[in-house]
Amino acid sequence: KQEVTQIPAALSVPEGENLVLNCSFTDSAIYNLQWFRQDPGKGLTSLLLIQSSQREQTSGRLNASLDKSSGRSTLYIAASQPGDSATYLCAVPYYGGSQGNLIFGKGTKLSVKP
Amino acid sequence: GAGVSQSPSNKVTEKGKDVELRCDPISGHTALYWYRQSLGQGLEFLIYFQGNSAPDKSGLPSDRFSAERTGGSVSTLTIQRTQQEDSAVYLCASSLERGSGRDNEQFFGPGTRLTVL
Repeated sequence: KQEVTQIPAALSVPEGENLVLNCSFTDSAIYNLQWFRQDPGKGLTSLLLIQSSQREQTSGRLNASLDKSSGRSTLYIAASQPGDSATYLCAVPYYGGSQGNLIFGKGTKLSVKP
Repeated sequence: GAGVSQSPSNKVTEKGKDVELRCDPISGHTALYWYRQSLGQGLEFLIYFQGNSAPDKSGLPSDRFSAERTGGSVSTLTIQRTQQEDSAVYLCASSLERGSGRDNEQFFGPGTRLTVL
């Protein structure tokens, strides 16, 4: 059974700092991994999707890496800003049977202090 | 273009009442998913629709929950005889057909916050 874990559960950093969020999964047979951002009281915003054949994906100040063999992904945020404060979730799809639903970690709540 | 939309954004109901939650997926997306996010819990998969195929209902927590998708587009999640433990944010997502590549990137709506008194 696929399980997704995110460490740390919460993180507080000063503005301008570079930071790394971690995501691990127990079954390395994944098709892709998706990182999301969730603001309080809002839905999920897709940040990056890394295919299983890729090792990295970049969007602006965000860089996500994927190491399937070790069951890990990291989300690197450069030069953090107070507007980056949110909960960050990683997820992998479950392809047992006919499903394609995502299995989520519990998220990392990030607070960037001005 | 328009993203996934959900209505209502908030719903307060009394225990025992039925509620209907609506999801409009992104136009052209054939896959539609419902998830539930409870306070202190992670995101929990509920049901999955793919095109005109029979839905995968394996995530529904009880027979009080049902969903339908009309015309391969709009979906309605119905909760009958609501209980306090049903209080949660119900999120809908859509994607292009399942497969490799970016087709299966899921896009989420803003959610419906359900409160059962």
